[in-house]
Amino acid sequence: DAGITQSPRHKVTETGTPVTLRCHQTENHRYMYWYRQDPGHGLRLIHYSYGVKDTDKGEVSDGYSVSRSKTEDFLLTLESATSSQTSVYFCAISDPSYAASNEQFFGPGTRLTVL
Amino acid sequence: GDSVTQMEGPVTLSEEAFLTINCTYTATGYPSLFWYVQYPGEGLQLLLKATKADDKGSNKGFEATYRKETTSFHLEKGSVQVSDSAVYFCALSGVTGANSKLTFGKGITLSVRP
Repeated sequence: DAGITQSPRHKVTETGTPVTLRCHQTENHRYMYWYRQDPGHGLRLIHYSYGVKDTDKGEVSDGYSVSRSKTEDFLLTLESATSSQTSVYFCAISDPSYAASNEQFFGPGTRLTVL
Repeated sequence: GDSVTQMEGPVTLSEEAFLTINCTYTATGYPSLFWYVQYPGEGLQLLLKATKADDKGSNKGFEATYRKETTSFHLEKGSVQVSDSAVYFCALSGVTGANSKLTFGKGITLSVRP
């Protein structure tokens, strides 16, 4: 299994509070991604990173920010959590030098509940 | 833009039944195609992949063939087991050099009863 961990694994918070989710990898993969999974929507890309300090928006980036100061860590921040951000969040990694098909490897997920 | 369409679910089968899960895609160029599986309470795992037309991906008894003429990548298994109960996602990766983003279908839940 690819070395990807996410923390915390579960979190309950209140509307309006800031929340930071962490993804940590030990594979030295260049690309890192944050997705959210919701019933009826599959996985939707929030933000991704193609190198240290290089990030870009995905299809559902509103209300989220990211940072990547080291190759191994990719942080997702909800500046002011809302109930619509209740979801399961997955981190993924990939590297074209590892697999030309661009396959991604996923972490175990973080279940976030915003009350 | 790129898109993936999966058949509506959920699907419930008896053990040893034949499984087909349909997946069609829209993309420019020649994407790579994937099937991912998510077991209860876990993250997604790559099940199989195909990187060019007519390639067949296979793993754990599952197969899917990259059909460019029908833009399809249907997942099949000849005899399902209870342990195959999971959510299955079809996905594609556009071939654009540095861009390795995946586009996912909505997923389909498979339940296999003994």
